Amino acid sequence: EPEVTQTPSHQVTQMGQEVILRCVPISNHLYFYWYRQILGQKVEFLVSFYNNEISEKSEIFDDQFSVERPDGSNFTLKIRSTKLEDSAMYFCASSDPGTGYGYTFGSGTRLTVV
Amino acid sequence: EDQVTQSPEALRLQEGESSSLNCSYTVSGLRGLFWYRQDPGKGPEFLFTLYSAGEEKEKERLKATLTKKESFLHITAPKPEDSATYLCAVPSFFSNDYKLSFGAGTTVTVRA
Repeated sequence: EPEVTQTPSHQVTQMGQEVILRCVPISNHLYFYWYRQILGQKVEFLVSFYNNEISEKSEIFDDQFSVERPDGSNFTLKIRSTKLEDSAMYFCASSDPGTGYGYTFGSGTRLTVV
Repeated sequence: EDQVTQSPEALRLQEGESSSLNCSYTVSGLRGLFWYRQDPGKGPEFLFTLYSAGEEKEKERLKATLTKKESFLHITAPKPEDSATYLCAVPSFFSNDYKLSFGAGTTVTVRA
């Protein structure tokens, strides 16, 4: 069964540093997403990406964050100048175009900012 | 704004003791309702999508149903391996790209 792959599974970073979280979505999906889950809280939407541009972003997704699809397979989330409150699980997801069909999440990257 | 509320927060069951989880939702328009299973430290794993009131879907010991205001996930004769957090989510009606709003989840623990 196709899956969404995320690396690394766990990242520890110093406050103020930049991190890049990587994802390989399902190959025939065209919509890509990042969500995050702070420990003990809901899974919350960050950003969606379609046709090589941001389709929608939440109020959480400010100038500290950026996304990129550098080639035909990878999808990245960059977090600049990390803060303690950025510590969370970050999930990548992808879906079939326009239908939500096959909306699949990766296993996540646990980001710990110290 | 879409609202998704799940109850109870936690459910402790004896193996074989059937029960139901509730997901109530308030949306501008329903484009579907998703159920996911989440194991500790893992990503949500897709279970079901329901699209219209009256629809039911089954997978092993799980059955999901949908009404106009809520969805139920019924667990029949659960086993310890059914222990997980069950999440429901709805896509935004006004979003072209299926942005999901999640409930807080119900954590199910099944004791042998």
